[in-house]
Amino acid sequence: DIVMTQSPDSLAVSLGERATINCKSSQSVLYSSNNKNYLAWYQQRPGQPPKLLIYWASTRESGVPDRFSGSGSGTDFTLTISSLQAEDVAVYYCQQYYSTPYTFGQGTKLDIK
Amino acid sequence: QVQLVQSGSELKRPGASVKVSCRASGYTFTSYTMNWVRQAPGQGLEWMGWINTNTGNPTYAQGFTGRFVFSLDTSVSTAYLQISSLKAEDTAMYYCARDLYLAVAAPGYWGQGTLVTVSS
Repeated sequence: DIVMTQSPDSLAVSLGERATINCKSSQSVLYSSNNKNYLAWYQQRPGQPPKLLIYWASTRESGVPDRFSGSGSGTDFTLTISSLQAEDVAVYYCQQYYSTPYTFGQGTKLDIK
Repeated sequence: QVQLVQSGSELKRPGASVKVSCRASGYTFTSYTMNWVRQAPGQGLEWMGWINTNTGNPTYAQGFTGRFVFSLDTSVSTAYLQISSLKAEDTAMYYCARDLYLAVAAPGYWGQGTLVTVSS
């Protein structure tokens, strides 16, 4: 199984500042035949189901604000929120969909400083 | 629009069974696989597996074999998760989630979740 490890486990950022969450996979999730990284990011607000933010490591889902961006390739990935808003308080998860089981990271809790 | 509506919360005794439903609308049910994801209280997300809604063929993650069964009723566009011989550690929120697109296996549409509580 591919193990997904996020860092940090939690962070607090001031409103308007940048937040960065990292995700590392135990093996590459880059599919060489199409040069796509099978990596997604989700946001889960309290009491809500997860919401897909980014897929293919860097493609924003429709309707997701452009302050959210994803980067990285192979085994190392980053979710960046360029200017933190109050509604961004949530737990963020990465997930690989390269091979089953489609494992999630342990989550990163983001709060306002 | 795509909607996944799950059945309501369940309170079960240890050893009992539960069947969670996930009714889909707004798309052709048999065109997209359905994932199941578990979230224990205060914990992270666990991918339980998926079911091919065209063939009915399920795939289970390790740890979700034996007592967990995915099934379908395509006539009513509904997927089911049945858990037998319930244990206290099965207490969790269970989500169904559909792939975003045919070529993107990341779950892009989620049900609201069904809380299953196992307690004597």
